[in-house]
Amino acid sequence: NAGVTQTPKFQVLKTGQSMTLQCAQDMNHNSMYWYRQDPGMGLRLIYYSASEGTTDKGEVPNGYNVSRLNKREFSLRLESAAPSQTSVYFCASSEVAGGKRTGELFFGEGSRLTVL
Amino acid sequence: GESVGLHLPTLSVQEGDNSIINCAYSNSASDYFIWYKQESGKGPQFIIDIRSNMDKRQGQRVTVLLNKTVKHLSLQIAATQPGDSAVYFCAENILNAGKSTFGDGTTLTVKP
Repeated sequence: NAGVTQTPKFQVLKTGQSMTLQCAQDMNHNSMYWYRQDPGMGLRLIYYSASEGTTDKGEVPNGYNVSRLNKREFSLRLESAAPSQTSVYFCASSEVAGGKRTGELFFGEGSRLTVL
Repeated sequence: GESVGLHLPTLSVQEGDNSIINCAYSNSASDYFIWYKQESGKGPQFIIDIRSNMDKRQGQRVTVLLNKTVKHLSLQIAATQPGDSAVYFCAENILNAGKSTFGDGTTLTVKP
């Protein structure tokens, strides 16, 4: 049982390049999330997907796009990377129990992105 | 008046001492709170949670206290061990809203 798997773990980009961060979960969770974490700060929500087929903006969505490919996979795309997007990106999923979300997030190990 | 623990970005304790980590939350509508532990190079992991209809919940060596009047949350770790060294985050949630809002985090260092 792998939980939440993110790829790649490390990536260096030049300004203006594009890339996609991949995330997959094997816990049959309905909801998935992308957060970014900057040094010394908490996690800020970029986008989330409450269920397959839906996506919504979080606190810091500018410069990103997402795709909920199926129930297992949720990808984050940077179309034109900027140095301000240098960060650690975390994918997470959460469980639905009895029709209500329990709220506990299960996180991947993170993807460390540097934009030069 | 009642004192409210300050949020400190760093906390250093001796092994074996008790640790108290504080968190202030912002949304009075939040009804579910979680503490996460993040070790270096890893994603956050669930430690303990509490719903707004409770003011205290205990785990194996951890206790979470909730004061809704002043919107304050604390995590108490008993007999702190070197393996407890990590960054601790509180998160506030509205059940069914599908989003968590994280605090800034406290870095706990345990000195042997």
